[in-house]
Amino acid sequence: DGGITQSPKYLFRKEGQNVTLSCEQNLNHDAMYWYRQDPGQGLRLIYYSQIVNDFQKGDIAEGYSVSREKKESFPLTVTSAQKNPTAFYLCASSILGYTEAFFGQGTRLTVV
Amino acid sequence: KNEVEQSPQNLTAQEGEFITINCSYSVGISALHWLQQHPGGGIVSLFMLSSGKKKHGRLIATINIQEKHSSLHITASHPRDSAVYICAVNRNNDMRFGAGTRLTVKP
Repeated sequence: DGGITQSPKYLFRKEGQNVTLSCEQNLNHDAMYWYRQDPGQGLRLIYYSQIVNDFQKGDIAEGYSVSREKKESFPLTVTSAQKNPTAFYLCASSILGYTEAFFGQGTRLTVV
Repeated sequence: KNEVEQSPQNLTAQEGEFITINCSYSVGISALHWLQQHPGGGIVSLFMLSSGKKKHGRLIATINIQEKHSSLHITASHPRDSAVYICAVNRNNDMRFGAGTRLTVKP
């Protein structure tokens, strides 16, 4: 079955540590996206990539980094520079033009 | 002001009731989506609309492009419909999301 896989589902890290969230898709989608969700707020775009080896900052990119070495994979690193990293993170992918997006199951990151 | 506004924020209904969730947006869009987020966090796409009305089972979605407004209706609601419903709009190269409507359907 085609889809998007995020791992892990829950992640705990100590303050000051970098952490990498995984996102893999086998839908052959060119575009991939990372969103952050906080209680009572809509999803906010962190980074997106429309082609391998290229990515663009979204609205809240500070404190995050990404890579797109393969079409199938778009990992997100939450760095120690991110002031408030505890949140729910969602990965999505789509064909170019963003007509319909497919979402992963999300990763809930808690920094203690 | 958010580009996508949903109402209500929270909605509690009795099983069998007809439910309406509203979405208003302030930007030009190419399409509007209704998404469903389950308690575990995963999101599934219910509808993608650019005009008119779509129906899938007990779910109906409508959009009025001139008024920049969309509604999601659930007929004969059931406890398994309990979830967060999110309105999102296609804008340029990304999507903009409403904050969601948390629906609880009681048996």
